[in-house]
Amino acid sequence: QLQLQESGPGLVKPSETLSLTCTVSGGSISSSSYYWGWIRQPPGKGLEWIGSIYYNGNTYYSPSLKSRVTISLDTSKNQSSLKVNSVTAADTAVYYCARLWKATTKFDYWGQGTLVTVSS
Amino acid sequence: DIQMTQSPSSVSASVGDRVTITCRASQGISSWLAWYQQKPGQAPKLLIYAASSLESGVPSRFSGSGSGTDFTLTINDLQADDFATYYCQQANIFPLTFGGGTKVDI
Repeated sequence: QLQLQESGPGLVKPSETLSLTCTVSGGSISSSSYYWGWIRQPPGKGLEWIGSIYYNGNTYYSPSLKSRVTISLDTSKNQSSLKVNSVTAADTAVYYCARLWKATTKFDYWGQGTLVTVSS
Repeated sequence: DIQMTQSPSSVSASVGDRVTITCRASQGISSWLAWYQQKPGQAPKLLIYAASSLESGVPSRFSGSGSGTDFTLTINDLQADDFATYYCQQANIFPLTFGGGTKVDI
């Protein structure tokens, strides 16, 4: 059974960099059948797609976040990473990683999510 | 970017009811649409993909329809476990986008 687990600091100061890792178990992050994505949800609000990465390193980002976001893969550790630069309070959210099936672009497996608060 | 508009934003229903949620895309997306259910404190759960394909393990009371710009999620014989927020997501092209959500409550 595929499992995804987000990890990283729960509190980040304004103007600093938010860094999260998604560890995948029960499957390979190097498969050509999937993208690996990041989605966030501010408290009490809806879902926002941040970006996705393919096994070959090709990345796709939300236009509203593109200038501040980097998504990468570490195939040796079976992990995906998310970095968001110059954070503000508006970046406070639950951050999810999820597997995106290439053939149908559906997010079929999700991590449990991790709350990141931006505050001094 | 393709904008996804869901309606209604909330709906009150009772056990046994039929509930219909609509999602409209700002441009045609063929059948590249998915539906998710989210309960408080939980990650979203995939219900429907490719507009009308039921994800494995999802009860058959959930169904999806539509193509192009207009899509519908129908929940027949609403159960207590179905009270949640539902989101559509266009899967046609990057950047991917979600609808604003529809809360189904009692």
